[in-house]
Amino acid sequence: EDQVTQSPEALRLQEGESSSLNCSYTVSGLRGLFWYRQDPGKGPEFLFTLYSAGEEKEKERLKATLTKKESFLHITAPKPEDSATYLCAVQARTGTASKLTFGTGTRLQVTL
Amino acid sequence: DGGITQSPKYLFRKEGQNVTLSCEQNLNHDAMYWYRQDPGQGLRLIYYSQIVNDFQKGDIAEGYSVSREKKESFPLTVTSAQKNPTAFYLCASSIRLTSGRRGETQYFGPGTRLLVL
Repeated sequence: EDQVTQSPEALRLQEGESSSLNCSYTVSGLRGLFWYRQDPGKGPEFLFTLYSAGEEKEKERLKATLTKKESFLHITAPKPEDSATYLCAVQARTGTASKLTFGTGTRLQVTL
Repeated sequence: DGGITQSPKYLFRKEGQNVTLSCEQNLNHDAMYWYRQDPGQGLRLIYYSQIVNDFQKGDIAEGYSVSREKKESFPLTVTSAQKNPTAFYLCASSIRLTSGRRGETQYFGPGTRLLVL
């Protein structure tokens, strides 16, 4: 069974204090790993898709990396507007091919 | 602007009542999905459709039904058989997944919160 575990559950940072969020996964053949940002009461907003180990993608203060067992979302010099829940999901090559298996998310709070 | 719309934003269901959640997309995507989000749990797949007039059950389809008569629309009905319907419901769409290809990014709508009276 495909599984995604995100850590930490919650993270509080001061503005400018860089950190990383972890997404560990087990999947029967990876089609893709996806990062989303979700604000309270809103739908997830797409951030990145990673397909193979060693791949990296960047957008503003965010950088996502992928290994064969985990992905990291690095946040450099965060600002209060980066406060949100960050979700990780995987899509497998077998089983219900369209399905995304989600982790429970990391709630990030960035304070002044 | 291309995107996914869901309505209503809030929906109240009385016991024994069926309710329908709307999902419309103008992204020209073939595939559409319904997920349920509960506190402390990851999103779970209810139903998905890769093409018009075809849909498949996801992990938690019991108590739900869907239709896919148009490419743009994928309504979800929460029936009276769903005993614990209170949740945040999310609709998503993507390019159709094909065998051997990389995963396709799913884009989400703003969600509908369903509450039981």
